[in-house]
Amino acid sequence: GQSLEQPSEVTAVEGAIVQINCTYQTSGFYGLSWYQQHDGGAPTFLSYNALDGLEETGRFSSFLSRSDSYGYLLLQELQMKDSASYFCAVRDQIYTGRRALTFGSGTRLQVQP
Amino acid sequence: SQTIHQWPATLVQPVGSPLSLECTVEGTSNPNLYWYRQAAGRGLQLLFYSVGIGQISSEVPQNLSASRPQDRQFILSSKKLLLSDSGFYLCAWSVTEPYGYTFGSGTRLTVV
Repeated sequence: GQSLEQPSEVTAVEGAIVQINCTYQTSGFYGLSWYQQHDGGAPTFLSYNALDGLEETGRFSSFLSRSDSYGYLLLQELQMKDSASYFCAVRDQIYTGRRALTFGSGTRLQVQP
Repeated sequence: SQTIHQWPATLVQPVGSPLSLECTVEGTSNPNLYWYRQAAGRGLQLLFYSVGIGQISSEVPQNLSASRPQDRQFILSSKKLLLSDSGFYLCAWSVTEPYGYTFGSGTRLTVV
């Protein structure tokens, strides 16, 4: 099976940098994704890492270490609109043919003025 | 461009009543389709996914079922709702590799 762990809540101030960690356990790993969900809304795709290293997309960056089964989402220059829940997700083992993501329980980010 | 439509946005149903939620995708062919459920303040639980017409994989053996009668249509059903079926139901689609889902706007179901 698969399991993902991420902190339940993180608080930061406007303009700061915040890192949301995710550790995972899978019997076969393909890639780590990140999604953002505002209250009452649907999740939206942020980033995907299949290889080790840092991927940057504007103010958001995502990092993966396959050897450590660990990744993080880095948000820079925080804005009030970044207040949302952030989910990491893993693709399940491909040799079973299961084409679906397993999501973590989510990290609620509160940005304070 | 691709779009995904999911309806209704909210639904209040009595226990024991049937359910039918519909999801359609436009602008793409042969998408992978998914139904997830999210309890309040929780993560997303995969219910069903489909890689083609009539092909349904079930993750949760409950009183829910799914069907894909057309390439870009995915339907979630129940014959008799339970209180525990309340939640936020999300339909999603992806291309061949499912790392970049696009979610529908969701249906908030309350069973009373």
